[in-house]
Amino acid sequence: NAGVTQTPKFRVLKTGQSMTLLCAQDMNHEYMYWYRQDPGMGLRLIHYSVGEGTTAKGEVPDGYNVSRLKKQNFLLGLESAAPSQTSVYFCASSQQETQYFGPGTRLLVL
Amino acid sequence: SQQGEEDPQALSIQEGENATMNCSYKTSINNLQWYRQNSGRGLVHLILIRSNEREKHSGRLRVTLDTSKKSSSLLITASRAADTASYFCATPRAGSYQLTFGKGTKLSVIP
Repeated sequence: NAGVTQTPKFRVLKTGQSMTLLCAQDMNHEYMYWYRQDPGMGLRLIHYSVGEGTTAKGEVPDGYNVSRLKKQNFLLGLESAAPSQTSVYFCASSQQETQYFGPGTRLLVL
Repeated sequence: SQQGEEDPQALSIQEGENATMNCSYKTSINNLQWYRQNSGRGLVHLILIRSNEREKHSGRLRVTLDTSKKSSSLLITASRAADTASYFCATPRAGSYQLTFGKGTKLSVIP
């Protein structure tokens, strides 16, 4: 089992460009999450999903959109990237309390 | 908003010594988890302790939970260089599996 995978691993964007981050899990988990991690800030929840076809806002949702069309995939979109979105993005999945994390996507917005 | 806060922010010890880090939280919880993050990697779940448990062990890890003080501690015994990482406590939002993470303790174990 690959667990949770994220694509891409690293990306550089110019301000105003758009992109989609892909998260995939092969554990048949119902719940999936997107976090961002910034120095000194810990992990902050962007959006989450409690099942296929559902999404909900987390702590810092502005500037991001998500979709969960298939149970195993959770997409995070940036419609118009801003330098403030420079961060490391982590996806996680869970069936109950314990979350399983992907390796992260490092995003730099110039 | 941060629910759990780890202390200290950074800790440097010699290999073989014990490392203790603490987590304080604000509201009542039914469980608390600890995660480890190696540099440049995703978080890895270490241990979950429920509110009706006072202490839990897993290998060289010992976790305590004091619900009256709203605090938890993680003890790593006989530390190794490979234990060098950041350690985060995480508490659930009421009625959900969403987690709120603290800012972490950065542990450096010197060989």
